[in-house]
Amino acid sequence: DIQMTQSPSFVSASVGDRVTLTCRASQGVRTWLAWYQQKPGKAPKLLIYSASTLQTGVPSRFSGSGSGTDFTLTISSLQPEDSATYYCQQVTTFPHTFGQGTKLEIK
Amino acid sequence: EVQLVESGGGLIQPGGSLRLSCTSSGFSVTNTYMNWVRQAPGKGLEWVSVIYADGTVYYADSVKGRFTISRDNSKNTLHLQMNSLRVEDTAVYYCAREGLGDAFDMWGQGTMVTVSS
Repeated sequence: DIQMTQSPSFVSASVGDRVTLTCRASQGVRTWLAWYQQKPGKAPKLLIYSASTLQTGVPSRFSGSGSGTDFTLTISSLQPEDSATYYCQQVTTFPHTFGQGTKLEIK
Repeated sequence: EVQLVESGGGLIQPGGSLRLSCTSSGFSVTNTYMNWVRQAPGKGLEWVSVIYADGTVYYADSVKGRFTISRDNSKNTLHLQMNSLRVEDTAVYYCAREGLGDAFDMWGQGTMVTVSS
């Protein structure tokens, strides 16, 4: 199985900050990578697919980059509503594994 | 409105069986890759199973041989038959549609399954 490792596990940042979350795959997944946002008690929401393509309706302050084994999700100017847990997922090989998540807190 | 609605969760004893359903409105589950993903209390997301449009299915090792994914085309509904349930199967179960880039672009609200004696 491909292991997905996210870092950091927890981050606290202020409104307006630029925040970068990292996801590393144990083997190459090309650009078959997605990012999701999950708020407490809610289903995950797709933010980014194919490593860097913004899902329709997602604010442009979110962006993704990377290929192979190393990926990043960047929030250019943090907003209060961005408080959530963020997950990466590889979709190149079964099982379609998720990272363990990064919890983002707004200071 | 395009949406997925899960049902069928509940409290079940270890070794028991449960069937989850996921009803789609606004699109056909027949022509779409459909997945089940679960999340144990306080934990991360775990992919469980997928059914392709051509009927091909895949499972996570943790559920292989115990869970069966299927769909009812006439009712536009996805199912997950769960047998030989274990305490560690306790989770919120989500159905999710696979879209562009094979990412999961639509999710249901989830249904809770609790396996406990």
